[in-house]
Amino acid sequence: NAGVTQTPKFQVLKTGQSMTLQCAQDMNHNSMYWYRQDPGMGLRLIYYSASEGTTDKGEVPNGYNVSRLNKREFSLRLESAAPSQTSVYFCASSEAGTLVFFGSGTQLSVL
Amino acid sequence: DQQVKQNSPSLSVQEGRISILNCDYTNSMFDYFLWYKKYPAEGPTFLISISSIKDKNEDGRFTVFLNKSAKHLSLHIVPSQPGDSAVYFCAASADTDKLIFGTGTRLQVFP
Repeated sequence: NAGVTQTPKFQVLKTGQSMTLQCAQDMNHNSMYWYRQDPGMGLRLIYYSASEGTTDKGEVPNGYNVSRLNKREFSLRLESAAPSQTSVYFCASSEAGTLVFFGSGTQLSVL
Repeated sequence: DQQVKQNSPSLSVQEGRISILNCDYTNSMFDYFLWYKKYPAEGPTFLISISSIKDKNEDGRFTVFLNKSAKHLSLHIVPSQPGDSAVYFCAASADTDKLIFGTGTRLQVFP
């Protein structure tokens, strides 16, 4: 049972480049999330999806887009990466927003 | 505005002693609280939770206390072990909505 799987684990981008972070869960959860973790800032919610076909902004959505492709998959896209988006990104899933399960993270550096 | 606050960025405790991690929140609608533990290069993992209808929940060496009037919760680890060294995040949700995380407290347990 893999839980929440996100790829890639590491990525280096130049300013202005685009990329998509992939996430999939095999727990049949309705809700999925993207968080970013920065020193001294904790885990901040970027976007979330309460169910297939719906997405909502979190605390820090600017510069990101998401797609809930189906119940299993929730991707995060950076259209034009900026150094301020250097962070560790975590995908997560849950049932009814209670116990949230996290992936192992993507370390992203934007130069 | 930070709805969930962990005012101590770090805590150092001797092995065998009690570790007390604190968390304050501002949103009186929060009704479910969780603690997550995070090791380097891994995603956060669930540790213990408490509903707002309770004031204490215990699981082995871990106990969470909730003081609703003070909007304060704490995590007690006793006895502390070196393997407990990690970053601990407090999180809260309202009516099974998305989780809001605090900034984290880095616990170091030394021999």
